[in-house]
Amino acid sequence: QVQLQESGPGLVKPSETLPLTCTVSGGSISDYYWSWIRQPPGKGLEWIGYIYSSGITTYNPSLKSRVTISVDTSNNHFSLRLSTVTSADTAVYYCARAVIGDKGNWFDPWGEGTLVTVSS
Amino acid sequence: QTVVTQEPSLTVSPGGTVTLTCASSAGAVTSAYYPNWFQQKPGQPPRALIYSTTNKHSWTPGRFSGSLLGDKAALTLSNVQPEDEADYYCLLYYGGAGWVFGTGTKVTVL
Repeated sequence: QVQLQESGPGLVKPSETLPLTCTVSGGSISDYYWSWIRQPPGKGLEWIGYIYSSGITTYNPSLKSRVTISVDTSNNHFSLRLSTVTSADTAVYYCARAVIGDKGNWFDPWGEGTLVTVSS
Repeated sequence: QTVVTQEPSLTVSPGGTVTLTCASSAGAVTSAYYPNWFQQKPGQPPRALIYSTTNKHSWTPGRFSGSLLGDKAALTLSNVQPEDEADYYCLLYYGGAGWVFGTGTKVTVL
């Protein structure tokens, strides 16, 4: 079955850009939406945005100015870049597949998540 | 920014029933918001339970059900089991603004 795995630096300095990649295995990246979601320690979930396999993106309006999500269909992965980070961006970052269509809209599967800490 | 509000915490006895709700600051929640519900246990990623208001995934236990209750989305847990103790999040769709998670409900089985 489809599995997702996040990867990237566990520590990012304030004002720098946070880069994460989600590798998709066991299935094609085509014809689905691919999402990023984050969760600060001890807090709730926040939807960051998603990208369709064609490259069309939708972002959380509160993060839109700092977020870029891209997709690499050849290598079956998609990426997140979050610029000008602060300590408020410290969180576990999850990637997830979104199915949006006539049969309904859902988010599954999810990756295990990766903790990114913003600190100097 | 739209806020999606859930009860902060609820307590239920084993074998009992509890209903969690999901309200939108933008107004009444309808099926057009495609309500999703997730369960999250400590140290684990969220697990999808319900999608598009009422639909269960193949792995969703039969005791979980989704609905619309008044102007909110709702998740009902029946015959609650100790393993149902977890955080629960709803997720609503806002068109071009994307999706918004609820504030989360901590369910304690006591």
